[in-house]
Amino acid sequence: EAQVTQNPRYLITVTGKKLTVTCSQNMNHEYMSWYRQDPGLGLRQIYYSMNVEVTDKGDVPEGYKVSRKEKRNFPLILESPSPNQTSLYFCASSLGASGRFSTDTQYFGPGTRLTVL
Amino acid sequence: KQEVTQIPAALSVPEGENLVLNCSFTDSAIYNLQWFRQDPGKGLTSLLLIQSSQREQTSGRLNASLDKSSGRSTLYIAASQPGDSATYLCAVKGTTDSWGKLQFGAGTQVVVTP
Repeated sequence: EAQVTQNPRYLITVTGKKLTVTCSQNMNHEYMSWYRQDPGLGLRQIYYSMNVEVTDKGDVPEGYKVSRKEKRNFPLILESPSPNQTSLYFCASSLGASGRFSTDTQYFGPGTRLTVL
Repeated sequence: KQEVTQIPAALSVPEGENLVLNCSFTDSAIYNLQWFRQDPGKGLTSLLLIQSSQREQTSGRLNASLDKSSGRSTLYIAASQPGDSATYLCAVKGTTDSWGKLQFGAGTQVVVTP
């Protein structure tokens, strides 16, 4: 089954304790992205990756890091989490920069609800 | 900068009524517009994707229209059912944004009462 998986689904942590949220897709997609969702603000892009070893900042990258060492995985790293990073996080993937700009559907993971105390 | 707005923020209708959800965007330079459904505790499910050259897309009871020049899209859900209760999000992929980036509206929360 084609899917995007995220782990963990729920996480409660304390300020300053490094954490990683994993994201994996089994569709051989080139493009992967992280979003956070906050009430009243909608989803905002944190980082994205066009392919292996190619990453760039989205709208709200402060406090986050990413890496793309393999095509299927795109982990989100919070080196020193703070309470304002309490949010619902989504990983997404799509086929890629193959010229199909107008028809490329994005697939989303189930979300990770993070609470930073 | 692209801004996407969804009005109303919440909507409650009795079962059987047609649902009309609105999405507006400020920059008409888009590749496509996508409608998603979000259920509590679950991810986003893509419902319909309309290319910028299209006027509408249909899937079962769902129909989405796109008027790019006026910056509007409407999602129609015919004969609503309690199972349609969810939050509906629209998102645009702009030609001036970084590749692949979607700009989302804040969503419309729909409740269909039996």
